[in-house]
Amino acid sequence: LAKTTQPISMDSYEGQEVNITCSHNNIATNDYITWYQQFPSQGPRFIIQGYKTKVTNEVASLFIPADRKSSTLSLPRVSLSDTAVYYCLVPMNRDDKIIFGKGTRLHILP
Amino acid sequence: KAGVTQTPRYLIKTRGQQVTLSCSPISGHRSVSWYQQTPGQGLQFLFEYFSETQRNKGNFPGRFSGRQFSNSRSEMNVSTLELGDSALYLCASSLGTSGRAPETQYFGPGTRLLVL
Repeated sequence: LAKTTQPISMDSYEGQEVNITCSHNNIATNDYITWYQQFPSQGPRFIIQGYKTKVTNEVASLFIPADRKSSTLSLPRVSLSDTAVYYCLVPMNRDDKIIFGKGTRLHILP
Repeated sequence: KAGVTQTPRYLIKTRGQQVTLSCSPISGHRSVSWYQQTPGQGLQFLFEYFSETQRNKGNFPGRFSGRQFSNSRSEMNVSTLELGDSALYLCASSLGTSGRAPETQYFGPGTRLLVL
């Protein structure tokens, strides 16, 4: 079963690009990688999902190397409002049940 | 389209009582999942309902139960409340269709339960 590991916390400054890496050494062949964002006292919100190479949307980019054992969420030019917890999720079983780990607490400084 | 709604938003109970939380999914969504979030344990999956049937279940004691109605609205119940049940309870809905990629889950604002 794929287990994800990501940094517990990160600090960055406004205007910087932030990269959060998640390792998932045991990812299964058919597993997708999904990232969610959670602000305090709110439910998580879907950011991006990918299977291989690179995916980009209006919010972020997701880079997945060929071996798919890790992935990197890239947030371009962050602002204070990007302060949140970011979760990297990989399905934990064949039912595609998604399990949230502890996430990465990103703190953006002015 | 209205988002996922949860009621009540805040609740205070005492040990030994029971509580029922309600979740109304996005219109057209047939899957509803429940999560418990605490500072120590993070976001933990409780169970998922689809078409009025429990489809997946996390590792919680039998005091935690749920149900889904024909209109996809869902309730979860916690009996014999313990202090450790104090948490933010989140409900998420999705279409419930099976495909290669996991479905996006849309979360409600949560119900914050305090057990005294």
